[in-house]
Amino acid sequence: DAKTTQPPSMDCAEGRAANLPCNHSTISGNEYVYWYRQIHSQGPQYIIHGLKNNETNEMASLIITEDRKSSTLILPHATLRDTAVYYCIVRVHGSGNTGKLIFGQGTTLQVKP
Amino acid sequence: KAGVTQTPRYLIKTRGQQVTLSCSPISGHRSVSWYQQTPGQGLQFLFEYFSETQRNKGNFPGRFSGRQFSNSRSEMNVSTLELGDSALYLCASSQLAGTHEQFFGPGTRLTVL
Repeated sequence: DAKTTQPPSMDCAEGRAANLPCNHSTISGNEYVYWYRQIHSQGPQYIIHGLKNNETNEMASLIITEDRKSSTLILPHATLRDTAVYYCIVRVHGSGNTGKLIFGQGTTLQVKP
Repeated sequence: KAGVTQTPRYLIKTRGQQVTLSCSPISGHRSVSWYQQTPGQGLQFLFEYFSETQRNKGNFPGRFSGRQFSNSRSEMNVSTLELGDSALYLCASSQLAGTHEQFFGPGTRLTVL
């Protein structure tokens, strides 16, 4: 699985958009980009995933560059409850693949009032 | 639908003892993965079970073992506990092995004295 690089920490003002970058320059064609977050002392929570196209769900948007070497997770209106560690993971997906996730150090997002 | 449950939530053991942790996946989910989280190493994959078979194993010593029952519930066992085994042990379930979204439980906090 490809390696990812994320900034260790970011701040965001409450109500503003939080844009969390992730570099995955060695991503291969069959690897998806996944985002999870972990709020303090809880288990990680799935946010969103994508392959090539931009994706949006009720929690966030995922923007993947055309060359797929980087992506950005966007929380459109950050709240204090979005303070968490955000993990960007790149993984092959398919019926023969396991559920193994390789977590990096992630980005600690601090949403401030 | 109930989420992933893990028991016990907290556990204190002494060096040399063994411990068994339990994970009940979401109803209908057949894949269960285990992770260890420590401040120094972050989140690390331990192993994954699907239909009572271990599909993948992380880089941990043989003291760490697991199994899955026919009802998809899973247990992990750590024998001859060491101080370094103190960690948050997380279980994640998904409907099929390799599906996009994994659902994590709250974890078991193990302290080894």
